[in-house]
Amino acid sequence: ETGVTQTPRHLVMGMTNKKSLKCEQHLGHNAMYWYKQSAKKPLELMFVYNFKEQTENNSVPSRFSPECPNSSHLFLHLHTLQPEDSALYLCASSQEEGARGYTFGSGTRLTVV
Amino acid sequence: DAKTTQPPSMDCAEGRAANLPCNHSTISGNEYVYWYRQIHSQGPQYIIHGLKNNETNEMASLIITEDRKSSTLILPHATLRDTAVYYCIVRVEGGSYIPTFGRGTSLIVHP
Repeated sequence: ETGVTQTPRHLVMGMTNKKSLKCEQHLGHNAMYWYKQSAKKPLELMFVYNFKEQTENNSVPSRFSPECPNSSHLFLHLHTLQPEDSALYLCASSQEEGARGYTFGSGTRLTVV
Repeated sequence: DAKTTQPPSMDCAEGRAANLPCNHSTISGNEYVYWYRQIHSQGPQYIIHGLKNNETNEMASLIITEDRKSSTLILPHATLRDTAVYYCIVRVEGGSYIPTFGRGTSLIVHP
C-alpha cells in the first residue's frame, strides 16, 4: 500500500456508459495528478491539480472530466469513451506541484467495450 | 528540464548486480536525477534520487559521474521481484515543470 488508493482496480464499461475513477491520499500532499498508460506506451500526463486548482490539462479530450473537491481526493469522470481509451489510469500525489517525489497509486485498469 | 536516454531493455541473473545506465548530457546544475520503477500493471515506485554525490538506500545505489552527464542505478543483488521497467528522470528541485516519464529500461531478472 503506497498511501495513494485508487478505486476501482478494474473497470469494464460500454461506450455509452458514465463512470468515475476515484483517487484518495492521506499523505498530506497538496498536488495530485492523473496519468494514462496505454499498452507498450510511456506514461502520459493528463491533469495536474495543485491546492485543488487545475494547473495543467494536457490536451485531454472532453470525454475525460477531472474533479478535485479537496486536496485528498481526485476523481476522473468518464463518459462516451472509445475503445482506444482502454488503458491503465494512474493517480499520483506529491508534496507540491512538480516536487521531488511522486507517490503513485496502483491504478485502475479500464477496458472500454 | 533535461531529457534522458536509457537502453530499452537489459537482463540480469538473479543474485548478481544489475547496473542500469542513464544519459542526461544536457542536465543543468540545479537538476536532480530521480529513479522510479514500475512493476507490471502497477504504479511507478520511487527508488532514489541525487544531485551530484553518490547515494545509497535500502533499495539501490545511485552513482552520478563527476560531470553529471550520466548516472547508473545499481541493484546490488537482483531478485526476480526486481523485474520491472526502470525510469530515469531529471528535474529542478521545486520547479513547476512536470517531468515526463520516457520508455525507461525493461529489466528482466532471470533465475
